[in-house]
Amino acid sequence: AQTVTQSQPEMSVQEAETVTLSCTYDTSESNYYLFWYKQPPSRQMILVIRQEAYKQQNATENRFSVNFQKAAKSFSLKISDSQLGDTAMYFCAFMYNNNDMRFGAGTRLTVKP
Amino acid sequence: DAGVIQSPRHEVTEMGQEVTLRCKPISGHNSLFWYRQTMMRGLELLIYFNNNVPIDDSGMPEDRFSAKMPNASFSTLKIQPSEPRDSAVYFCASSLLAGNEQYFGPGTRLTVT
Repeated sequence: AQTVTQSQPEMSVQEAETVTLSCTYDTSESNYYLFWYKQPPSRQMILVIRQEAYKQQNATENRFSVNFQKAAKSFSLKISDSQLGDTAMYFCAFMYNNNDMRFGAGTRLTVKP
Repeated sequence: DAGVIQSPRHEVTEMGQEVTLRCKPISGHNSLFWYRQTMMRGLELLIYFNNNVPIDDSGMPEDRFSAKMPNASFSTLKIQPSEPRDSAVYFCASSLLAGNEQYFGPGTRLTVT
């Protein structure tokens, strides 16, 4: 079974600082995709970043970047220059068979002024 | 693009009543997903469609739940009869191609009393 584990239920960071959210997954699949989604208090699920397992290069999107360690089955999200608007639940997600997506339990991030 | 549209945004109903949730995917997307989010179980995939055809409904909790996609621009999730334990936020998402990121609607918050 494919599982996704986010071991940090809550985290906080000072505005303008950097924070890293952890995610590990368990799978026997070789081809898969990994995602980070953000869910602010509005509850809208917003895609933050995507990584294909076959790519060695870590994905980046502006202030967001990932550290993808395939052998360790680890997929952490780094947020640089944290902003108040980054306050949200962050979900790590694993997708295989092209459409079967599994989500972690989420990490609640609070950015403090 | 308007994004994924869901209606209603909030639904309050009494136990035993029929509930119908509606979704309009992003135009041109050929995969559609229904998720349920609760505090206890997190985000769960209920069912997904490719080209209007249900592919995997193994996440549908009981026979009380049914989903249809009569055409490429509309899907429904029906619960009949509803029970208090069905109270949750129900998300619809769509994607362009298998393996691509999924775009979520704003969700429907269902409360069954």
